[in-house]
Amino acid sequence: AQRVTQPEKLLSVFKGAPVELKCNYSYSGSPELFWYVQYSRQRLQLLLRHISRESIKGFTADLNKGETSFHLKKPFAQEEDSAMYYCALKSGANNLFFGTGTRLTVIP
Amino acid sequence: NAGVTQTPKFQVLKTGQSMTLQCAQDMNHEYMSWYRQDPGMGLRLIHYSVGAGITDQGEVPNGYNVSRSTTEDFPLRLLSAAPSQTSVYFCASSPGQGYYGYTFGSGTRLTVV
Repeated sequence: AQRVTQPEKLLSVFKGAPVELKCNYSYSGSPELFWYVQYSRQRLQLLLRHISRESIKGFTADLNKGETSFHLKKPFAQEEDSAMYYCALKSGANNLFFGTGTRLTVIP
Repeated sequence: NAGVTQTPKFQVLKTGQSMTLQCAQDMNHEYMSWYRQDPGMGLRLIHYSVGAGITDQGEVPNGYNVSRSTTEDFPLRLLSAAPSQTSVYFCASSPGQGYYGYTFGSGTRLTVV
């Protein structure tokens, strides 16, 4: 069965500091992984897909199959990065399974 | 394009009442799904549909029904509301198989008293 684990419910960093949001997964097949973000009073939106290997808003995430991880990183946090972040794994008929989320607070 | 539209935004129900949460998308997406979001539990899949006329259960389907008579609409019905169904409900859609992300609606905050 698939499982997504985000070990940190809350994460606080100072503006300008590096940030890493952890995500580990368990899946028997070839994983398709995503990061979603939910800013205050806004709907969930896609941030990154592992397949595209892109950088969005300064965030990157690398799939490490050996460690079954897909951590989200940004070298210099900004106040506008404060949000709820969800790691998600796609399986089966296009279904997404989400972790429990990490609330990131960037302190000015 | 409006994207994914959910109505209502807020709803209060009494225990035992029934209601339908509406979800519509105008992107001609094949795949649609319903999630509930609860504190500390993330988003959990209730039901999903891979196309008109096809629905299936997700992780937490009990107490909910869905139908997909058209590509655009995917309503979620609460048969007999219970306080445990107090949650924020999100509808999402996607073009289908492949490395596509989901487009989410703005959510419905449901309180069952």
